[in-house]
Amino acid sequence: DAKTTQPPSMDCAEGRAANLPCNHSTISGNEYVYWYRQIHSQGPQYIIHGLKNNETNEMASLIITEDRKSSTLILPHATLRDTAVYYCIVESRGNDYKLSFGAGTTVTVRA
Amino acid sequence: GAGVSQSPSNKVTEKGKDVELRCDPISGHTALYWYRQRLGQGLEFLIYFQGNSAPDKSGLPSDRFSAERTGESVSTLTIQRTQQEDSAVYLCASSPPHRPYEQYFGPGTRLTVT
Repeated sequence: DAKTTQPPSMDCAEGRAANLPCNHSTISGNEYVYWYRQIHSQGPQYIIHGLKNNETNEMASLIITEDRKSSTLILPHATLRDTAVYYCIVESRGNDYKLSFGAGTTVTVRA
Repeated sequence: GAGVSQSPSNKVTEKGKDVELRCDPISGHTALYWYRQRLGQGLEFLIYFQGNSAPDKSGLPSDRFSAERTGESVSTLTIQRTQQEDSAVYLCASSPPHRPYEQYFGPGTRLTVT
């Protein structure tokens, strides 16, 4: 599985877009990029995933570079409730299904 | 629709007692997972159920831990003769068919063994 690199922390102003980068330079062709987050004292929450194309859902947008070596999760209008640790993971859709999070990015949204 | 639910939300038990934790997955999700998360730690995989296939029990830490699932619905995780090191949040997740990394988590059961 490809390794991902994320900044340890970032701050964001409430109401502004939060852009969370993730590097995955060793990603292989059949591996997807998944984003989860974990708000303090809650279970992890699936956000979005993508393979090559940019994706958008009600929570966020995922921008994947053309070479697929990096991606950015965009929270378009961050709220205080978006304060959480955000995890970028890269996995293939093979038989392994065990989620494993790295250190993630601790995002603090400030009023 | 309804998400994954777990009960109880909190459980305090004495060392040596047995506990049973329940998970109700999202309807239509064929896969169900149990994880454990100790305070300040990452997810620790415990067990995976997929349809009628034999479960993957490779993450269960000892034979005191067992889990059952009825068809594609409710699952129970049982811990026998609990130990203090079993104290953790036990998380259940389910995923849609053929999308194993799109896991939807319940709120967890916080287990405290005194």
